[in-house]
Amino acid sequence: NAGVTQTPKFQVLKTGQSMTLQCAQDMNHNSMYWYRQDPGMGLRLIYYSASEGTTDKGEVPNGYNVSRLNKREFSLRLESAAPSQTSVYFCASKGLAGLGELFFGEGSRLTVL
Amino acid sequence: GQQLNQSPQSMFIQEGEDVSMNCTSSSIFNTWLWYKQDPGEGPVLLIALYKAGELTSNGRLTAQFGITRKDSFLNISASIPSDVGIYFCAGSSSNTGKLIFGQGTTLQVKP
Repeated sequence: NAGVTQTPKFQVLKTGQSMTLQCAQDMNHNSMYWYRQDPGMGLRLIYYSASEGTTDKGEVPNGYNVSRLNKREFSLRLESAAPSQTSVYFCASKGLAGLGELFFGEGSRLTVL
Repeated sequence: GQQLNQSPQSMFIQEGEDVSMNCTSSSIFNTWLWYKQDPGEGPVLLIALYKAGELTSNGRLTAQFGITRKDSFLNISASIPSDVGIYFCAGSSSNTGKLIFGQGTTLQVKP
């Protein structure tokens, strides 16, 4: 049982390049989330998808787009990467049962030069 | 918007000591959660609290949902080296359903 799987785990980009972070969960969860983690700032919500077919902005959505491809997959895209987007990105999912209990992937470390 | 203040920011303690950390909010939450993050991994849920005043234990960990619904604390008793990591509080309110995370408490344990 893989849980939440993120790819890639590491990526280095140049300013202006684009890339997509992939996330898939095998727990049949309805809700999926993308967070970024920066030192001293905890986890900040970028975008989330409460159910298949819906997406909403979180606290820090600027510079990002998302796609809920199906119930399992939720991708995060950086169209034109900036150094301020250097961070560790976490995907998470949540089922209907267990209020607020998110299950996280292992993270994707992105560096923008 | 909603904010969580978590303290202390970091702790360096001796093995065997007890640890306490807390979170306060500017608004009411109806769920409090505590997560631990090991180096290079994603956060993992430790304890979930759903009712004001609730006190819940998980082994050496004890957490409480504050009676005002604006705060929570986590205690770790008799710390061991594997307790090292970053501990996050998180809260959720009924009007948003989204989790808000604290800034994290980095714990280091000296054997």
